[in-house]
Amino acid sequence: DQQVKQNSPSLSVQEGRISILNCDYTNSMFDYFLWYKKYPAEGPTFLISISSIKDKNEDGRFTVFLNKSAKHLSLHIVPSQPGDSAVYFCAASGGNNNDMRFGAGTRLTVKP
Amino acid sequence: NAGVTQTPKFRILKIGQSMTLQCTQDMNHNYMYWYRQDPGMGLKLIYYSVGAGITDKGEVPNGYNVSRSTTEDFPLRLELAAPSQTSVYFCASSMQGWANYGYTFGSGTRLTVV
Repeated sequence: DQQVKQNSPSLSVQEGRISILNCDYTNSMFDYFLWYKKYPAEGPTFLISISSIKDKNEDGRFTVFLNKSAKHLSLHIVPSQPGDSAVYFCAASGGNNNDMRFGAGTRLTVKP
Repeated sequence: NAGVTQTPKFRILKIGQSMTLQCTQDMNHNYMYWYRQDPGMGLKLIYYSVGAGITDKGEVPNGYNVSRSTTEDFPLRLELAAPSQTSVYFCASSMQGWANYGYTFGSGTRLTVV
């Protein structure tokens, strides 16, 4: 049962433009949402999170938007840089905070 | 500061063999986790621990065992390896208030069962 879905396996954008990565979830009990970034041969690294009491959280070039009614969140990267090329995982947790559910990931390629 | 260290990085096992994936963290985190990632899929939780001596099952625990005798170490044991256990395994740790900081992951162990 895939409770967190990232429907785009890949995304390619030009350097300097905006990257928008999307994530949908089905479990209304989720109350924390996180984005992780993963380079090849490395573990995922935490990027940014948002609580369900907010609809936006910003950290430098990265902004996460949450639409609870649509059970949808997105990660915006502006401006995109070649070093942002990686796989991005959306994750969600709620209730039992030790059971974080992950999406399948979106591979972002930023072209110089 | 090493963070979360996993060994080995790669391993090939024959069906029916056993092995232990090692995980150690030096951040004094109470919470530790084992995930597996299959191709095209998200990470799935195998087991987790909220402190030394306390472990619990995650989403996909069958075929695995864990122990947590110290805060630092959280080994994952495969008793009778099966091809379905071919995957990349990630160990992670977190402190309380993880929601603002996420988990700290190791670099993974790529396991192939043939």
